[in-house]
This record gives sequence, C-alpha cells and structure tokens, in this order.
Amino acid sequence: AQSVTQLGSHVSVSEGALVLLRCNYSSSVPPYLFWYVQYPNQGLQLLLKYTTGATLVKGINGFEAEFKKSETSFHLTKPSAHMSDAAEYFCAVSESDSWGKLQFGAGTQVVVTP
Amino acid sequence: EAQVTQNPRYLITVTGKKLTVTCSQNMNHEYMSWYRQDPGLGLRQIYYSMNVEVTDKGDVPEGYKVSRKEKRNFPLILESPSPNQTSLYFCASSLTPGVEQYFGPGTRLTVT
Repeated sequence: AQSVTQLGSHVSVSEGALVLLRCNYSSSVPPYLFWYVQYPNQGLQLLLKYTTGATLVKGINGFEAEFKKSETSFHLTKPSAHMSDAAEYFCAVSESDSWGKLQFGAGTQVVVTP
Repeated sequence: EAQVTQNPRYLITVTGKKLTVTCSQNMNHEYMSWYRQDPGLGLRQIYYSMNVEVTDKGDVPEGYKVSRKEKRNFPLILESPSPNQTSLYFCASSLTPGVEQYFGPGTRLTVT
C-alpha cells in the first residue's frame, strides 16, 4: 500500500527565493507521482506528474520535480517564488497495480513574503 | 467548457437527514472519484469509479454510498449524516486512472 509524507505543513519564502517542497512516498510497485496546487476557495489543479521516463519533470508556472527512486522522493522546486505562488500544494501517489486509488499527502501551505 | 460541476456548493444539515451531493462531468471521462478534505489530513479518497456500474472503496468509505449509472454522473450519498462528516468534498474525473484528474469546485458540508 502506498503512503505519502510531505515535510512541513507551512513554508514561508521570500519573493524571488527558491521554493522547495518535500515529498516522500512509500510504494511496493512503480508509482505514478503528482503535484497538485490549490488556490484559496478553489479545487485542485495539476502542476506536474511523473509516470515513466525522464525523472526530471517540468510543470506549469515554472515548477519542476525530480523523481528519485533510491530516496523514494519527489520534491517540488521553483527557482524564484512569485507572490502568485501562495497556495496549498499536495503531493499524491498512485500505484501501477491499483490505478484507481490515489493517496494524497497532508499538504504544504506556501506563504510568499515581499 | 470542459468542467466538473458539483451541487450544492454549500450545505448545512442535521444529523440523520439523508442527503445527496451531485457530481457531473462533460468530458466523457471514464474515471471519477470523491474525496474529502480536512485540515491537516489533506485529501482522502472516499470512493472511485472506473466506469459505469464499476465502483470501489477508497480509504474512507464508511458512511457514504455512491452510484454510477451514467458515465457523466457520480453522486455521493450520505444516508445518515453525522457531525464527523462535516468536511469539504471534491469530485474529480479523468480519462483513465493514473493521469491528470480534473476537480470540481468543492462542496462544503456542515452536519449539526
């Protein structure tokens, strides 16, 4: 069974600084990995995903994530934070032998300060 | 416009009064799913459906029912709501599992 751990429920970054959100997963089979973003009072939208192939994945709004199998990690980064990046971010995992089930992490709230 | 719609968006009800939250998508997606979101817990999957008449339990199915009689609709039924079902509920759909899911706007439910 899969599980997802997001380190840090709240992260504060300065505008222009690096954004780093950590996600570790446990999975007994090859996983599909996702990062979703939720803006206030909205549903979730996909930032990026890893299924197979290249381990460095680029997403929307300048975000990217790297799948590291040896570390069971899928950390999300953005080189330079913008005020509009303030939102809650969720890492999620789906396993190849149970595609219907999607497990989310607890979420990380990002605050961007001027 | 491609979208997932949920109704109602806000609902306050009392313990034990049956309710249904509707979910509809216009993208001809086979896969649909329900989640609840609670502070500090992220989103937890309640039920999902791989296609018409095919549904399965997620991580927190107790107290909920679903049906999938048509491809576009996936209602969530609370036969006897209790206060611990007070939460923010999201419906989502995708062409198949394992790919991007499209989320509805959410339904905020309060059970008193």
